[in-house]
Amino acid sequence: EIVLTQSPGTLSLSPGERATLSCRASQSVSSNYLAWYQQKPGQAPRLLIYGASSRATDIPDRFSGSGSGTDFTLTISRLEPEDFAVYYCQQYGSFTFGPGTKVDIK
Amino acid sequence: EVQLVESGGGLVQPGGSLRLSCAASGFTFSSYWMHWVRQAPGKGLVWVSRINSDGSSTSYADSVKGRFTISRDNAKNTLYLQMNSLRAEDTAVYYCARGSPYSGYDYYAFDIWGQGTMVTVSS
Repeated sequence: EIVLTQSPGTLSLSPGERATLSCRASQSVSSNYLAWYQQKPGQAPRLLIYGASSRATDIPDRFSGSGSGTDFTLTISRLEPEDFAVYYCQQYGSFTFGPGTKVDIK
Repeated sequence: EVQLVESGGGLVQPGGSLRLSCAASGFTFSSYWMHWVRQAPGKGLVWVSRINSDGSSTSYADSVKGRFTISRDNAKNTLYLQMNSLRAEDTAVYYCARGSPYSGYDYYAFDIWGQGTMVTVSS
């Protein structure tokens, strides 16, 4: 079973800053079956990125995904107030999720 | 509007049973694999189960195997999760999510999620 590790656990930033979130897999993720989700308090998760780097429908272009193999990154180029949330990576070969990174306001 | 709406959550005693439902609308439900994902209070997301488009193939997380059963009724556009022998550690918000639109291929991100239904297992 592939285990996903996300770092940092919490990222404290100000609006307008760049956020870089990491997701590392215990073994190579097949065909880049790697997704990123955003979850705000009291809400369901929302798909941001699939296939490691493809943005989902209606996702702003300030969100970008990169990486392959075992190392993946979600970048938010300039944080908007609505971007402060928890972000999860998922490898959808066996559907496991990472533990999440919380992006909060500094 | 593409939508998933869960129902059926509530308070149940340890060892009890509960059936969750997920009503789909706005898309061709019978064409999609579907999933259940849960989230314990203050914790992360955990995949629970999935079912293929015609209901002939299912799989489960080890933590629920033998206790939970996923099913679907494509005529009613509804997904189900029958939960038996419930334990305190099953306490969570349960989400249904849409998976792959391809009949023979389930490697797909979850693009539509319901709002979740809370299940509390406690005496």
